[in-house]
Amino acid sequence: DVKVTQSSRYLVKRTGEKVFLECVQDMDHENMFWYRQDPGLGLRLIYFSYDVKMKEKGDIPEGYSVSREKKERFSLILESASTNQTSMYLCASRMGNVLYGYTFGSGTRLTVV
Amino acid sequence: QKEVEQNSGPLSVPEGAIASLNCTYSDRGSQSFFWYRQYSGKSPELIMSIYSNGDKEDGRFTAQLNKASQYVSLLIRDSQPSDSATYLCAVVFSGGYNKLIFGAGTRLAVHP
Repeated sequence: DVKVTQSSRYLVKRTGEKVFLECVQDMDHENMFWYRQDPGLGLRLIYFSYDVKMKEKGDIPEGYSVSREKKERFSLILESASTNQTSMYLCASRMGNVLYGYTFGSGTRLTVV
Repeated sequence: QKEVEQNSGPLSVPEGAIASLNCTYSDRGSQSFFWYRQYSGKSPELIMSIYSNGDKEDGRFTAQLNKASQYVSLLIRDSQPSDSATYLCAVVFSGGYNKLIFGAGTRLAVHP
């Protein structure tokens, strides 16, 4: 089975801190995605990457950046954390074929205080 | 506007009944459709995929697709309390990097 691992399950950070969320997948998937999920708003796409060193903005990229230096790792960076970035962050990966669904990591619940 | 619509629920069914979850989508050119189950506080888990019109069965789950009506559904037979979760419908829209577009989800509650 594909495994998508997110480095932290729970994280508490202070306003203004730079925050790194790490995601690693072990099945050589081309595509990787970062979502946030908030009650009543569903899954919202922040950024995605279709290959190493490639990145594309999703629906809500403001305040975030990403890095994909290696195929297996996709990092989400909060440049200056704010309280409205308190959320559940979900990483997902997929083979480069639309017949496959995404496999999600277990999520990181980030609280910014 | 690319949209996937689901009734938010909650859909409440008694144990042993059939639960029927519905989803409509806006892109007539969509080709791939998925159902995810998400327990409270957990991440979504892929349970079904369907690509052709008709029914696809996997254990107690049946996915149904009608591309002409732009409608996809999930039936859960012999519902169990452990099926209580939020079910997300996801569609690959044509164009635009073939991203999955998720519905907001339907909350299912199976009561003993």
